[in-house]
Amino acid sequence: QVQVVQSGAELKRPGASVNISCTTSGYTFTTYYIHWVRQAPGQGLEWIGIINPSGGRTTYAEKFQGRVSLTTDTSTNTVFLALSSLRSEDTAVYYCARIRSLVHYDYWGQGTLVTVSS
Amino acid sequence: QSALTQPASLSGSLGQSITISCTGTNSDVGSYNLVSWYQQHPGRAPQVIIYDVTERPSGVSNRFSGSKSGNTASLTISGLQAEDEADYYCFSYAGSSTFEVIGGGTRLTV
Repeated sequence: QVQVVQSGAELKRPGASVNISCTTSGYTFTTYYIHWVRQAPGQGLEWIGIINPSGGRTTYAEKFQGRVSLTTDTSTNTVFLALSSLRSEDTAVYYCARIRSLVHYDYWGQGTLVTVSS
Repeated sequence: QSALTQPASLSGSLGQSITISCTGTNSDVGSYNLVSWYQQHPGRAPQVIIYDVTERPSGVSNRFSGSKSGNTASLTISGLQAEDEADYYCFSYAGSSTFEVIGGGTRLTV
């Protein structure tokens, strides 16, 4: 069965970078794009970007361009999100999800809490 | 401010029907039949309940239905049950450069 498992919670200082992994199983990794959103405490969902694991093509939300990078490792069926120059407003739960079709995300990771605090 | 407008909260009684609206523009909701709805319970990841405006994934109750008119999409939940109490988000495709826009979410109280 399809599974999407994310790495554990992170505590970072302002100005640092964070790397979150999203490991998939149960399907052909290169067949489906992966989508990332985040959710600040008590707030709604915010789109970050998407990556095509077949070739690594990415599309990022304008707000994150220059600060975010999505990459893949096809040997481990894993997608990585790297976010740099962290500030307190980046404190959120970050989710990855498999894209079944446009804006249809059928399998989600459990979420990764990133806390940015001095 | 979210790109798609949803009511912040709604409430309904057991067995009632409610409708959540999701208003966008002719650059997103109005241009594509690519609107999806997600249900999120506290502390959990969102789950898709409607995609492509009206389609329901297998395993999702037929009490959930979607529709669209112009720039506004709607999610209707009939026969409200206690487990329907959750946050609901709408997503719309918005073209190859913007890609997607998301509603601010609606907290449903049953």
